[in-house]
Amino acid sequence: EAQVTQNPRYLITVTGKKLTVTCSQNMNHEYMSWYRQDPGLGLRQIYYSMNVEVTDKGDVPEGYKVSRKEKRNFPLILESPSPNQTSLYFCASSSRGSGGAGEQFFGPGTRLTVL
Amino acid sequence: LAKTTQPISMDSYEGQEVNITCSHNNIATNDYITWYQQFPSQGPRFIIQGYKTKVTNEVASLFIPADRKSSTLSLPRVSLSDTAVYYCLVGSYGGATNKLIFGTGTLLAVQP
Repeated sequence: EAQVTQNPRYLITVTGKKLTVTCSQNMNHEYMSWYRQDPGLGLRQIYYSMNVEVTDKGDVPEGYKVSRKEKRNFPLILESPSPNQTSLYFCASSSRGSGGAGEQFFGPGTRLTVL
Repeated sequence: LAKTTQPISMDSYEGQEVNITCSHNNIATNDYITWYQQFPSQGPRFIIQGYKTKVTNEVASLFIPADRKSSTLSLPRVSLSDTAVYYCLVGSYGGATNKLIFGTGTLLAVQP
């Protein structure tokens, strides 16, 4: 089954404790992206990757890191989480195709709480 | 980067046609317009994508005027299960940037 998986689905942590949220897709997609979703603000892009070893900042990259060492995986790293990073996080992937922005397939989400 | 503007919410009744408009005054030549649907606690799901004029699939139609500064998602004969948040997204790969900008979404509430 074609899918994007994220782990963990729920995480409660404390300020300053490094954490990683994993994202994996089995569709051989080139494009992968991380979004955060907060009430009233919609979906905001954190980082994206056009292919292996190619990453770039989205609209809200501060406090986050990513890496793309393999095509299928795109982990999101919070080196020193703070309470303002409490949010619902989504990973997505898509094929670049012949134009447009491609149909993005989203993971189930990771609800992060930073105390 | 094209910024999008949508109504915050809309109400409708079962069986009616619903039209949700998205404004994107600064859309770039290479940008496409894509709409997603999101239910609570789930990731968004692709509905439809277009570049100009009209696109139709089995669930929706997308109308884009010649100047491409706005677009309208049309949902025919909505049902209760269409209650969700609908997002307009403008962007493309291979343009000046590969960022994808979502709008803040429109909460569609369908009543019996």
